[in-house]
Amino acid sequence: DAMVIQNPRYQVTQFGKPVTLSCSQTLNHNVMYWYQQKSSQAPKLLFHYYDKDFNNEADTPDNFQSRRPNTSFCFLDIRSPGLGDAAMYLCATSRAGHGNTQYFGPGTRLTVL
Amino acid sequence: KQEVTQIPAALSVPEGENLVLNCSFTDSAIYNLQWFRQDPGKGLTSLLLIQSSQREQTSGRLNASLDKSSGRSTLYIAASQPGDSATYLCAVINSNSGYALNFGKGTSLLVTP
Repeated sequence: DAMVIQNPRYQVTQFGKPVTLSCSQTLNHNVMYWYQQKSSQAPKLLFHYYDKDFNNEADTPDNFQSRRPNTSFCFLDIRSPGLGDAAMYLCATSRAGHGNTQYFGPGTRLTVL
Repeated sequence: KQEVTQIPAALSVPEGENLVLNCSFTDSAIYNLQWFRQDPGKGLTSLLLIQSSQREQTSGRLNASLDKSSGRSTLYIAASQPGDSATYLCAVINSNSGYALNFGKGTSLLVTP
């Protein structure tokens, strides 16, 4: 089945230790997104890629970066995780064009010790 | 800035009841509105997407309506089942923001046997 896959499902890191989260898709969608969802909060868009074009949301902290080496893969890098970065990180994809359905992966739960 | 509100925050109903979840948004200039389901600790599953030109969408026991001018949407669930227990989130894409989904915090639904 075509899908959005995230690895790992659970990630534990130490305060200040860089961490990378992975997302892959078999849908061949142009657009890939990273959302952050803190406990009992609404998901919030961090950034998205339209093909290779990177689009950062205005209030995304500099601590968060992303890479998209090819159509299928997208990575979220957190350079120096703080306790406030503990959250569920959701990857999503969609076809190009406004108003298309976004398909979400299962998420990665990040814990910062 | 688009604000999305969902009422109630939590709802408990006995199995078999019909129920309505509410979503409101402050800026009516939207591309579409999407309803998602989220099980505990999991990603988001898209349920229904309503384009801004549409009034409603139906899928099985689910019916979503959209009144763009008043900034309101409802998700109607018929003949609820314990398996419907989850958090339901609504989200809109603004006409001027491109691709970002603006989410409400969700309604946590519990259907008791």
